[in-house]
Amino acid sequence: EAGVTQSPTHLIKTRGQQVTLRCSPISGHTSVYWYQQALGLGLQFLLWYDEGEERNRGNFPPRFSGRQFPNYSSELNVNALELEDSALYLCASSLTVRQGADIQYFGAGTRLSVL
Amino acid sequence: EDQVTQSPEALRLQEGESSSLNCSYTVSGLRGLFWYRQDPGKGPEFLFTLYSAGEEKEKERLKATLTKKESFLHITAPKPEDSATYLCAVPPNSGYSTLTFGKGTMLLVSP
Repeated sequence: EAGVTQSPTHLIKTRGQQVTLRCSPISGHTSVYWYQQALGLGLQFLLWYDEGEERNRGNFPPRFSGRQFPNYSSELNVNALELEDSALYLCASSLTVRQGADIQYFGAGTRLSVL
Repeated sequence: EDQVTQSPEALRLQEGESSSLNCSYTVSGLRGLFWYRQDPGKGPEFLFTLYSAGEEKEKERLKATLTKKESFLHITAPKPEDSATYLCAVPPNSGYSTLTFGKGTMLLVSP
């Protein structure tokens, strides 16, 4: 069974540009979560989508946004890139049974470098 | 605000030298505690979920235990391939919020 897949694996952008990251969840999972992991820092929660709706949002500016499609895949968009956006962006998926307490399974991540 | 604290931040062991990692939490009404392993540059890999005090789970050289305020990840006779960052996470006690992760313990096992 395929796990969570993310694309692309690596991205290099310059300040002010926009980027879109993609995530396909495990088959049967309806929730998708996005996290940012900057070098040396812990996982910072960005967004949670379930059944196409945004369920929760972390403490990030509005230039971080996303959406979930009818097939439960998801996109994370970051506008007006800043140097500090350089990080590993992780997507996770889960069933939606325990409302936030479900086991999350992670993809391999997208490494974003902003120059 | 829910808090998850892991200690130590880093741990260096010799191969075969057993030890424990700690995860303490302040959330009330615990709905589960999750342990993950993360290799450098990769996504976290799910290891265990514990739901009630006194519960234990094992996988190869790892055993996770849970009390009312903390969890331990015991590593018995570790091997170099156990080197990784170990993360714990807890969900909120209610509502549409998601896991709060600790900052992790970076484990290095030397041959």
